[in-house]
Amino acid sequence: TQLLEQSPQFLSIQEGENLTVYCNSSSVFSSLQWYRQEPGEGPVLLVTVVTGGEVKKLKRLTFQFGDARKDSSLHITAAQTGDTGLYLCADAGGTSYGKLTFGQGTILTVHP
Amino acid sequence: DTAVSQTPKYLVTQMGNDKSIKCEQNLGHDTMYWYKQDSKKFLKIMFSYNNKELIINETVPNRFSPKSPDKAHLNLHINSLELGDSAVYFCASSQGTPSHNIMVFGPGTRLTVL
Repeated sequence: TQLLEQSPQFLSIQEGENLTVYCNSSSVFSSLQWYRQEPGEGPVLLVTVVTGGEVKKLKRLTFQFGDARKDSSLHITAAQTGDTGLYLCADAGGTSYGKLTFGQGTILTVHP
Repeated sequence: DTAVSQTPKYLVTQMGNDKSIKCEQNLGHDTMYWYKQDSKKFLKIMFSYNNKELIINETVPNRFSPKSPDKAHLNLHINSLELGDSAVYFCASSQGTPSHNIMVFGPGTRLTVL
């Protein structure tokens, strides 16, 4: 059974700071997705990475996929209060039917 | 327009009762899911349907019975509710290949069993 570990579990920072959160897997990812979940809402897909070493950028968010496809990081530059939420990584499971295996998430709080 | 909608948003009920949660998607996706998020925010898949056919059935008590009347709807019925069923239940739908799978989640139903 694949285990996804995310760190840190909690992160509290001031607006304007940079931060990185991590996702590590006990086995090679089929493909990796990052989600953000705001309180009272469902997770929203941020990015999908597939190829080892891949780097994707989404405005102030930079996603890196490890060369061995067993780890990933999400870096946020100049955090804003709107970045507050639960960040989840997930393995898409390599099937056509999108069964996701999630990590336990990182709860990010950005203070004004 | 809401892409994936769920009703109700909140559900408070007594142990032993039977309840249903409804889900609808207007995205034209072929696959729909139920996920459960526990108090520690851990999300785990329960069921998946593709074109009304059950394709994923994780280790879930048989008190939970999904039903898909058509590919735009996936409902979840829970019999004999237990305290441990308290959680947030998310419906989701998706379309695409594994490397380009777009999963869209609904807003969740917070179930509290007293």
